[in-house]
Amino acid sequence: DVKVTQSSRYLVKRTGEKVFLECVQDMDHENMFWYRQDPGLGLRLIYFSYDVKMKEKGDIPEGYSVSREKKERFSLILESASTNQTSMYLCASGTGGASGELFFGEGSRLTVL
Amino acid sequence: DAKTTQPPSMDCAEGRAANLPCNHSTISGNEYVYWYRQIHSQGPQYIIHGLKNNETNEMASLIITEDRKSSTLILPHATLRDTAVYYCIVRPFNYGQNFVFGPGTRLSVLP
Repeated sequence: DVKVTQSSRYLVKRTGEKVFLECVQDMDHENMFWYRQDPGLGLRLIYFSYDVKMKEKGDIPEGYSVSREKKERFSLILESASTNQTSMYLCASGTGGASGELFFGEGSRLTVL
Repeated sequence: DAKTTQPPSMDCAEGRAANLPCNHSTISGNEYVYWYRQIHSQGPQYIIHGLKNNETNEMASLIITEDRKSSTLILPHATLRDTAVYYCIVRPFNYGQNFVFGPGTRLSVLP
């Protein structure tokens, strides 16, 4: 089975801290994505990557950066966490094309105090 | 712009068919219809997709109207574990995998 693993299910950080959210997939997928999910706002795309060392901004990239040094790993970085970044963060991967099947991790719930 | 419209919530009795509608009246010729669901505290899960023909897999059936302006996801025998938020998404087949998730339909399967 395809597995998308997110490093932490729950994190609590303080305002101004640098936060790393790690995501690893084991199916050699080219495409990887970071979403955040908030009540009433649904899933919103932060960043995505279609290849190693490649990244594209999604709908809400402000305050975030990403890193994809290896095909299987896609990291989301909050350079200076703020309380409005308290959210559920979801990583996904897929192969592209018409099949459209995205595989999601279980999510990382981040609380910024 | 909202590309799909779904009812915010629906109930279904356990063991009965759940029929979840989706309106996509502005769908383009190169856009597929995808369905995902999200069970509480988990990431979304792919269910099915289609272009213009009806599709069926082990999870569900997808019925797309002839004019492609609407579709229905059918869970033939709903169970309590099917309680989830169901997302209908339209996306061009050659547009990578950038899915835009709307608010979806919250399906409650009742015992």
